[in-house]
Amino acid sequence: EPEVTQTPSHQVTQMGQEVILRCVPISNHLYFYWYRQILGQKVEFLVSFYNNEISEKSEIFDDQFSVERPDGSNFTLKIRSTKLEDSAMYFCASSTNTDSTEAFFGQGTRLTVV
Amino acid sequence: RKEVEQDPGPFNVPEGATVAFNCTYSNSASQSFFWYRQDCRKEPKLLMSVYSSGNEDGRFTAQLNRASQYISLLIRDSKLSDSATYLCVVSSAGTALIFGKGTTLSVSS
Repeated sequence: EPEVTQTPSHQVTQMGQEVILRCVPISNHLYFYWYRQILGQKVEFLVSFYNNEISEKSEIFDDQFSVERPDGSNFTLKIRSTKLEDSAMYFCASSTNTDSTEAFFGQGTRLTVV
Repeated sequence: RKEVEQDPGPFNVPEGATVAFNCTYSNSASQSFFWYRQDCRKEPKLLMSVYSSGNEDGRFTAQLNRASQYISLLIRDSKLSDSATYLCVVSSAGTALIFGKGTTLSVSS
């Protein structure tokens, strides 16, 4: 069964450092998303990406964040200068269409900023 | 105002019980509705989509009331393996999924 894969599963970084979270969406999917979930809180939308550009972003997705699809398979989320409050589980998701029907989530990257 | 609100949890039920979760959403333009399931520290997984006519998948029944902006999920004959957090999720056309905080279900033997 096709799946979304994310690496690493756990990343520990020092405050102020840059991190890149990686995702390989399902191969025939065209829409890609990043969500985050702070421990004990709800899953929050960060950004959606289609046709090599951002199609929607939330208020959380400020200038510290960027996304990229550097090649035909990877989809990355970069946080330029991490803060303690960036500690969360980050989920990548992909879907075949814009209404996110059947959006498939990766297993997540747990980011811990110390 | 919260966009998607769910029943506060946790729900603790014995095996075989029937349990119902409720959810309300604030955006009347919402067009797609889902229930996702999330196990502890895992990714959300789609349980079922919710349609205006209601839909059933085995022991799970979902209902949507657009006029009241209300969604429900009924689980019959609860199993131990149903223990998880159930997430109510909505989206408008072409927009991202908006998640509720979730309701935790614990099924005991």
